[in-house]
Amino acid sequence: GQNIDQPTEMTATEGAIVQINCTYQTSGFNGLFWYQQHAGEAPTFLSYNVLDGLEEKGRFSSFLSRSKGYSYLLLKELQMKDSASYLCAPRNDYKLSFGAGTTVTVRA
Amino acid sequence: DARVTQTPRDKVTEMGQEVTMRCQPILGHNTVFWYRQTMMQGLELLAYFRNRAPLDDSGMPKDRFSAEMPDATLATLKIQPSEPRDSAVYFCASGLSLGAISSNEQFFGPGTRLTVL
Repeated sequence: GQNIDQPTEMTATEGAIVQINCTYQTSGFNGLFWYQQHAGEAPTFLSYNVLDGLEEKGRFSSFLSRSKGYSYLLLKELQMKDSASYLCAPRNDYKLSFGAGTTVTVRA
Repeated sequence: DARVTQTPRDKVTEMGQEVTMRCQPILGHNTVFWYRQTMMQGLELLAYFRNRAPLDDSGMPKDRFSAEMPDATLATLKIQPSEPRDSAVYFCASGLSLGAISSNEQFFGPGTRLTVL
């Protein structure tokens, strides 16, 4: 089975940095995704990590430690449009298991 | 601009009625996924197809749900009979499976919001 833990909510101000942590326990593992989902919309792909370390992509970075079952998503220079839910999703073969999501609210 | 499309976007029906949701995956993609999202359960995988073959439907209530891919451009999810507890947003996603190390990113459609009264 899968057990995925991430905070329910986070609030930050425009221009700040926020780090969303995710811990997981899975029966098999071959990569971890982060998806962004705005209210009433579909999830959209943000990042993918299969090896340990940091992947940087513009204002967003994602880190993975396979031995610790741990990942984080770092959002820098926050903008109002970053207010959304962020879903951690470890993969086992073809199957993604989604966490409940972290709702990030960006305040002016 | 390649996108996954889903119809209908919204569906309101009465308990006991049949519901059919349709999905057109991105051209060239060889995997299709059906998900259900509710506030309580989050995103759950219902069914998985690869090269049109159903490989995993363990997440679906078998007595009332069925998923098919009549051809490479159409995937369907049917509920018969529908029940109020089926009310949710149903997402279809497609991807290109290139091996275990590849990201094999899934691209989500806009979803069908189903309300069963």
